[in-house]
Amino acid sequence: GAVVSQHPSWVICKSGTSVKIECRSLDFQATTMFWYRQFPKQSLMLMATSNEGSKATYEQGVEKDKFLINHASLTLSTLTVTSAHPEDSSFYICSAKGIYYGYTFGSGTRLTVV
Amino acid sequence: GQQLNQSPQSMFIQEGEDVSMNCTSSSIFNTWLWYKQDPGEGPVLLIALYKAGELTSNGRLTAQFGITRKDSFLNISASIPSDVGIYFCAGQNGNQFYFGTGTSLTVIP
Repeated sequence: GAVVSQHPSWVICKSGTSVKIECRSLDFQATTMFWYRQFPKQSLMLMATSNEGSKATYEQGVEKDKFLINHASLTLSTLTVTSAHPEDSSFYICSAKGIYYGYTFGSGTRLTVV
Repeated sequence: GQQLNQSPQSMFIQEGEDVSMNCTSSSIFNTWLWYKQDPGEGPVLLIALYKAGELTSNGRLTAQFGITRKDSFLNISASIPSDVGIYFCAGQNGNQFYFGTGTSLTVIP
């Protein structure tokens, strides 16, 4: 079955630094990748949708200059949280969709900004 | 983004009891999905529904795609402790994919 690997699974960073999170589809080509943010005891909120080789489409209220998304290949998308602040601390989850596969989710990245 | 309303928000049940939860939307969806999320993990797909009125089972889980295409239901029969987690519905239209607010399930042994 389809597997999506997300790395790192957790990261702690200092306020003001940038953090990169990777999302890889291991056994299929992901035509579209999605990034979600989840606060404790809340649902997953879609941040952005990215198609390979094109700019990501951001949901309303999500700062594209703060959350940089790169989808350079059919198996890799990255989310970079720039100049992170404590309020950016959250659980970030990616998902990938291929031609023959539905939405498959990564295991998430717990970001803590101190 | 759009969010689907899920109820109940939380449930505390005795092991062996059946569970029912539902999800409603103001919009029509072509596909309804149900996921389970364990703490610190990403959601895992339980059941996918592709046609209005469809009733699909996966072991002790049964889900239905509402006739109006604006709702879906999930039932879990004879609950066991490992059913504990948060259950999310999701509605999909093409690349538009939205999650429900979640139902937290606690099973008391």
